[in-house]
Amino acid sequence: GENVEQHPSTLSVQEGDSAVIKCTYSDSASNYFPWYKQELGKRPQLIIDIRSNVGEKKDQRIAVTLNKTAKHFSLHITETQPEDSAVYFCAASPYGGATNKLIFGTGTLLAVQP
Amino acid sequence: EPEVTQTPSHQVTQMGQEVILRCVPISNHLYFYWYRQILGQKVEFLVSFYNNEISEKSEIFDDQFSVERPDGSNFTLKIRSTKLEDSAMYFCASSGLAGYNEQFFGPGTRLTVL
Repeated sequence: GENVEQHPSTLSVQEGDSAVIKCTYSDSASNYFPWYKQELGKRPQLIIDIRSNVGEKKDQRIAVTLNKTAKHFSLHITETQPEDSAVYFCAASPYGGATNKLIFGTGTLLAVQP
Repeated sequence: EPEVTQTPSHQVTQMGQEVILRCVPISNHLYFYWYRQILGQKVEFLVSFYNNEISEKSEIFDDQFSVERPDGSNFTLKIRSTKLEDSAMYFCASSGLAGYNEQFFGPGTRLTVL
């Protein structure tokens, strides 16, 4: 069945360092890959996404890369700040059609140490 | 900026009771979803809804669950006879036009079944 694996489950970095979170997906029909940030007790917030016709996308300190052949995608956060501390979820979804469900990874707890 | 809203924020119920969780999606969105998140775990897809019918449901979404869009603004999730294992955070999400997968999540309803 559809599955998204995410690593690492926890990540601790020093403020200013970079953080990388990696995901793999099983459904080759997946064409849309969002990343959500979830602070404790709050809703998942979309921070960046990428579609399969693009290999990389960047938004200020955040970037996402996609390797469709290997079915891998990664989130890169540069110059981390304490406010980046949260749980990050990757997800995958088939593109278009009537169903755009998201299959989530298991999450990465990022702790940025000041 | 428009947001998805959900009520109540917290619902406590006795096992076997019926609960209705309410959501108001973003007004011009066409696709609606329910997800759940058991404490400390990943977000799991329950059901997607489009054009006044279910477009897809997961294995979790059994006969005890139902969804409805009773009017032009609300989207509800009903659990007919709650079980202890239904205790979770339930998120509503919505997205816009077909092919645009960005899903925006509501703040969630924490359901506690005693």
